[in-house]
Amino acid sequence: GQQVMQIPQYQHVQEGEDFTTYCNSSTTLSNIQWYKQRPGGHPVFLIQLVKSGEVKKQKRLTFQFGEAKKNSSLHITATQTTDVGTYFCCGGSNYKLTFGKGTLLTVNP
Amino acid sequence: DAGVTQSPTHLIKTRGQQVTLRCSPKSGHDTVSWYQQALGQGPQFIFQYYEEEERQRGNFPDRFSGHQFPNYSSELNVNALLLGDSALYLCASSSGTLNYGYTFGSGTRLTVV
Repeated sequence: GQQVMQIPQYQHVQEGEDFTTYCNSSTTLSNIQWYKQRPGGHPVFLIQLVKSGEVKKQKRLTFQFGEAKKNSSLHITATQTTDVGTYFCCGGSNYKLTFGKGTLLTVNP
Repeated sequence: DAGVTQSPTHLIKTRGQQVTLRCSPKSGHDTVSWYQQALGQGPQFIFQYYEEEERQRGNFPDRFSGHQFPNYSSELNVNALLLGDSALYLCASSSGTLNYGYTFGSGTRLTVV
């Protein structure tokens, strides 16, 4: 079955530093979704990427979908303490999400 | 506009017992999915309900069953509880388009002792 892998597993940064998490799928994805889960919270939808090579920005967050539609990345510019949480990439479909293990981001103020 | 509502928020059960978790989807959503999230792991897909039928199922044993009601709310039932069933159970609702992703509830924290 489809497997989604994320690296790194953990990332600790100083506030103001940039952060990137990478996602790789064992199979070609029809789309990829990104979610953020704050400590003690639940996943919250960030974005969906559908097209090969697609790049989307949300303020300080930049999402990319690879040309082969098997990998993706999330880059945060100038992290803030509010960015703390686990970022999950998911292979998405109308029927299910296949989550990676996530990248836990901690930010030192 | 209410989001996804799950009950109860916390539950402690004994091995071998049965449990029922409940979920009300976000207004306007007709599809409900259930996920199990162990500590430090990503959520794992259990199953999805649409039009009161189980549409897709993940790699979970038959001890896990569900139901969807005409008002789109859903229940997750787990029989013969094992210690390994201790986890956060998340309900996610969606509509026909995934442009806005899945909306997750706050979850039910199940502890099996």
